[in-house]
Amino acid sequence: DTGVSQDPRHKITKRGQNVTFRCDPISEHNRLYWYRQTLGQGPEFLTYFQNEAQLEKSRLLSDRFSAERPKGSFSTLEIQRTEQGDSAMYLCASSRADSGNTIYFGEGSWLTVV
Amino acid sequence: DAKTTQPPSMDCAEGRAANLPCNHSTISGNEYVYWYRQIHSQGPQYIIHGLKNNETNEMASLIITEDRKSSTLILPHATLRDTAVYYCIVSDSGAGSYQLTFGKGTKLSVIP
Repeated sequence: DTGVSQDPRHKITKRGQNVTFRCDPISEHNRLYWYRQTLGQGPEFLTYFQNEAQLEKSRLLSDRFSAERPKGSFSTLEIQRTEQGDSAMYLCASSRADSGNTIYFGEGSWLTVV
Repeated sequence: DAKTTQPPSMDCAEGRAANLPCNHSTISGNEYVYWYRQIHSQGPQYIIHGLKNNETNEMASLIITEDRKSSTLILPHATLRDTAVYYCIVSDSGAGSYQLTFGKGTKLSVIP
């Protein structure tokens, strides 16, 4: 499967713990995006990378959220000191940077904070 | 805010064509119309996109009006597996932009 891959698919954590999600984009894609989706809502943009550079991070929900893409390939999204309100599906997507190119999504990582 | 307006829900009989409308009256010249769908608990799935001309692929057809202010996604022979939330999005999603802004979409129910 050469699509966007996310791991883990499901995570249950206790409030206050840190969690990390990994995303492997489609191999020739230089842009990588993170979105969050809560129940009943459409996906909400969080941040994106072009190669290893994080070009937009103002939409990250708080300073507890951080993302990295150190070598311009896979990316991680970390949530520190999780809160119950962080329970959501975290989606990764990738694309090429040319105009009109399609953004492809992974299957998402479900987070439940108890 | 999303730049598109879609009906919140629609029903379609299995085997019939599903026609999903979308209004995007403020679309700019370099923005494409994208359609995605999301089946329960899965990530959004790309369906089709277009700029000015009508487009067709193995999944669907996209009809864009001449003034580009609205479009229709057509699933020619809907099956039960097409039951999903369908999102219409306008974006240049490339050199000039970096994100897709999702609205609430249209929940399509395919009825046996």
